[in-house]
Amino acid sequence: AQSVTQLDSHVSVSEGTPVLLRCNYSSSYSPSLFWYVQHPNKGLQLLLKYTSAATLVKGINGFEAEFKKSETSFHLTKPSAHMSDAAEYFCVVSDWNSGGYQKVTFGTGTKLQVIP
Amino acid sequence: NAGVTQTPKFQVLKTGQSMTLQCAQDMNHNSMYWYRQDPGMGLRLIYYSASEGTTDKGEVPNGYNVSRLNKREFSLRLESAAPSQTSVYFCASSESRTAAYGYTFGSGTRLTVV
Repeated sequence: AQSVTQLDSHVSVSEGTPVLLRCNYSSSYSPSLFWYVQHPNKGLQLLLKYTSAATLVKGINGFEAEFKKSETSFHLTKPSAHMSDAAEYFCVVSDWNSGGYQKVTFGTGTKLQVIP
Repeated sequence: NAGVTQTPKFQVLKTGQSMTLQCAQDMNHNSMYWYRQDPGMGLRLIYYSASEGTTDKGEVPNGYNVSRLNKREFSLRLESAAPSQTSVYFCASSESRTAAYGYTFGSGTRLTVV
């Protein structure tokens, strides 16, 4: 069965320090993986996506993520946090199941707090 | 600006009342989706429409109905609202049913049922 686990519900970092948001997934086939960001009272915005091309994916606002098949992980990183990065982040896995239907599963989210 | 537009942004209903949430996209996307977001549960799919003229149930369809009015519009109806339907509702669209390109989300409807 397909699933996605965001290992931390809250992460707090100081402005200017690195960000690491962790995501593990399970999928029977070849998944597509995404990170979305949601600022307060806003909709979700696509940050980046992995769809079986390069394993290191660069997204908007300086974020990047590395697909590691052996570890079934897709962690999101940024070298230096900015105050505007404070938001909730969702890891998402998308894959085809045996019935020919594409299933999309959202993680439960990680709230990132950036301390001045 | 191109994107997904949802109306209304906020709504308070009494138990048993009905209402329709509206969603429209102007990106010529084929597939549209309705999700609900509850604290600590991520987003859960209510219904989706892979293409104009088709609709299918998602993970949590009970208590909801949908209509894909045309390629642009996809509405969600609550026939008899219940407190358990208090949530934030998001409409999304994607270029194809594969969802490999990712979704474009609307800004959400915050619904409270009292």
